[in-house]
Amino acid sequence: DSGVTQTPKHLITATGQRVTLRCSPRSGDLSVYWYQQSLDQGLQFLIQYYNGEERAKGNILERFSAQQFPDLHSELNLSSLELGDSALYFCASSVAPSGGSAGELFFGEGSRLTVL
Amino acid sequence: GQNIDQPTEMTATEGAIVQINCTYQTSGFNGLFWYQQHAGEAPTFLSYNVLDGLEEKGRFSSFLSRSKGYSYLLLKELQMKDSASYLCAVPDSNYQLIWGAGTKLIIKP
Repeated sequence: DSGVTQTPKHLITATGQRVTLRCSPRSGDLSVYWYQQSLDQGLQFLIQYYNGEERAKGNILERFSAQQFPDLHSELNLSSLELGDSALYFCASSVAPSGGSAGELFFGEGSRLTVL
Repeated sequence: GQNIDQPTEMTATEGAIVQINCTYQTSGFNGLFWYQQHAGEAPTFLSYNVLDGLEEKGRFSSFLSRSKGYSYLLLKELQMKDSASYLCAVPDSNYQLIWGAGTKLIIKP
């Protein structure tokens, strides 16, 4: 158990719909990262928040948005869903302001999104 | 730019040794990470190398050569539970991790 909690674990929805994925980081971690992993693909970095502020942005579509709340949990909003958005969405947290500064990332179990 | 190369898939036999290679190109260097990911599960941290040489941790060891832009993960006494993808990652100039596509390791009895 990494200490990172993601909900929901599974989500099935239709094209054009909107969903919200939720993440609670490990206790004490200020950074939250969102990743997308499509079937048999590598991890694609979407966005990072550090202590409530957006820290870095990766290949995140305009249809997607995220935020980190004062209690440090984060939400990833996916709208106007397309079939290609079907993927595993991982949240990770770290103590450090960036995962690369010798800081290990702790991943949640992921939210599997299926768009029909 | 940043680039990471790993073999897509490798097969090895239970009880044997396997070496998974990773080559990288970065504008600077701030260490190299290895993560393990079982199918459908979250990646978990295996190792972090910032200096040249071999770091041993039980059955798993990780090697780094900064001058060659090269690392490998060495798995000894392979067990069936080692069947997983192994991800190599390096920080970019903003300390964000750049991930390789991963090497899928298949262990056969």
